[in-house]
Amino acid sequence: DTGVSQNPRHKITKRGQNVTFRCDPISEHNRLYWYRQTLGQGPEFLTYFQNEAQLEKSRLLSDRFSAERPKGSFSTLEIQRTEQGDSAMYLCASSSWGAQTYNEQFFGPGTRLTVL
Amino acid sequence: AQSVTQLGSHVSVSEGALVLLRCNYSSSVPPYLFWYVQYPNQGLQLLLKYTSAATLVKGINGFEAEFKKSETSFHLTKPSAHMSDAAEYFCAVSEGTSYGKLTFGQGTILTVHP
Repeated sequence: DTGVSQNPRHKITKRGQNVTFRCDPISEHNRLYWYRQTLGQGPEFLTYFQNEAQLEKSRLLSDRFSAERPKGSFSTLEIQRTEQGDSAMYLCASSSWGAQTYNEQFFGPGTRLTVL
Repeated sequence: AQSVTQLGSHVSVSEGALVLLRCNYSSSVPPYLFWYVQYPNQGLQLLLKYTSAATLVKGINGFEAEFKKSETSFHLTKPSAHMSDAAEYFCAVSEGTSYGKLTFGQGTILTVHP
């Protein structure tokens, strides 16, 4: 068990460019979550998957954001036409949903996005 | 809708003193409650969780929290602070039929003075 991994760890991009982040969850976990954290704030929920199905999306997730988990394993989060307000830490978490697991979420180290 | 309020964005204690970080929640159904710790430029690490099995929950690194339904609180305590406890702490709630997303408080930065 190597934990949740995220790539890249840091991304600097120019406004208007597209970016894509990857998250690899803990291998036996069936749920995967994306959160966004800005400086001085707690993480805010963006979306989550159970296996390959996207079960919930926050209204924070504008049309420029899209997330996929095609085979129920890794996930990607794409931001199109980035804006300076997208600058944040993007956190991925995974959990094993079922009896006696209580949906305890394990977080990755995050991808820090800076939009110039 | 679920929500979390952490009272005090900054808490400062001396090494060896009691740590008390406050968290109040709002939930329409029995919640699961969590405390996470975040060190600079790192992800979140789970300290402890409440899942209705016991109201006093013990976690890692000597931390514990007590669930008080009547006060809708889940305060985090540690009897004796250590320099290594300096970090940001987040309280979070999960509720609903599928207990999916976590809703976090705004965080409390703990500073420990020698």
